[in-house]
Order: sequence, then structure tokens, then C-alpha cells
Amino acid sequence: GAVVSQHPSRVICKSGTSVKIECRSLDFQATTMFWYRQFPKKSLMLMATSNEGSKATYEQGVEKDKFLINHASLTLSTLTVTSAHPEDSSFYICSASPRGGTGSLHEQYFGPGTRLTVT
Amino acid sequence: TQLLEQSPQFLSIQEGENLTVYCNSSSVFSSLQWYRQEPGEGPVLLVTVVTGGEVKKLKRLTFQFGDARKDSSLHITAAQPGDTGLYLCAGVGGGDYKLSFGAGTTVTVRA
Repeated sequence: GAVVSQHPSRVICKSGTSVKIECRSLDFQATTMFWYRQFPKKSLMLMATSNEGSKATYEQGVEKDKFLINHASLTLSTLTVTSAHPEDSSFYICSASPRGGTGSLHEQYFGPGTRLTVT
Repeated sequence: TQLLEQSPQFLSIQEGENLTVYCNSSSVFSSLQWYRQEPGEGPVLLVTVVTGGEVKKLKRLTFQFGDARKDSSLHITAAQPGDTGLYLCAGVGGGDYKLSFGAGTTVTVRA
């Protein structure tokens, strides 16, 4: 159980275009999903917290107009990188917390990541 | 954001040797999680510790949570090449559910 998928796994786009990444919890409902960015051989950096039915909460320094997040349902969150530039190239990972059941554990289950390359 | 210091940053050992990774903070965490990540993939949850002083075992992996819930360690006995990966500790504290990640430890086990 607790499987999270991401689509696409890899995407190459041209500078100036927009790219949408999907994150789905396959066998559980997730009130909260998180989006992270990871640089090579580095740890995960939280970009934003996505809550179903409300606006996402962005971390300091993350442009909300550039990284659009939509949490349309309890199993789907999307991240759209708008007007992508080469510096946006990175590994983007989402995670999801099961709704209600884990109490104080606050466990997060991670997707397999999306490798974005902007040329 | 609560800082978690993870050490060492890199660890390269021979198959069969033991290793320990440390995760320390000045902050108290309500829970702490250990993940392993392989290149090009997302982190996989290994364990969650919640109670101060707690010890959990997962085959050859032993996880400890400090009595004060500020630090944790991961010990691998008789490491195998399949244990190679990036090990990440992450803690939850304060009033939100956000994870604060350590910088990670890259473990390489040579055959």
C-alpha cells in the first residue's frame, strides 16, 4: 500500500514553454501533498504544500506564479512549471500523506520523481 | 524550519562491514523518519520513530531515536552492495506536517 505515482518520469522542453507534472496517490486518499526539488547528490528542498480544496502554501523564495500547484482531488496534485528556463532543470518529487490514519506519525510517501530538462 | 545535521556526508565501506549514520538537531521532533533513495528514484520510507529512546530493527538495519527526541541513528550490520544509496533522515516538529530533511549520507558498499 501507500503508492504514489508521478507522470511523466522524464520531460524535455524548450525554454519559455510550460510543463505540467502530475502526482497521484494510487491506493489512499491524501489531504496533503508536498512538492520538492532535488539537485544532484543533494537533499530534498520543499517547494510547497498542497492542500485539497485550498491554495498551496509556498516556501520562502519559491515563486508561486512560476510554480503553479493545483490539488484537484484527494488523489491528485499537479505542478505546472510556467515559462520554463534552463535553471528550472531539476528532479521534482512529490509526496503524499495519508488522510487521517497516521495520527502523529505524519508519514509521507514519495513518488518516483520527474526529471525536467529545459533546453 | 528545524535543522537536521546528518553525518557523515559520504561513507564507503567493504561488504560485510558495519556502518552508522547520525542525525542530530537542537530541536525536538514529534517523529523522525529514515528514507533510502537510489539515483533517479524517489525516497523510500524505511522506518518512522516516534517515542524517545525507541529502537526499531529492520533486518540488518537498526534505528534509534534519542531519549530527548532530538537525534537519531541508523546502524547497518554486515553491509551488502544492495545497501548502497542515499540515506536521508527527516523530522516532523512544530505545528505543521512539513518534513525537515537532513543533507543526506551517500553510502557505497563495495563488493
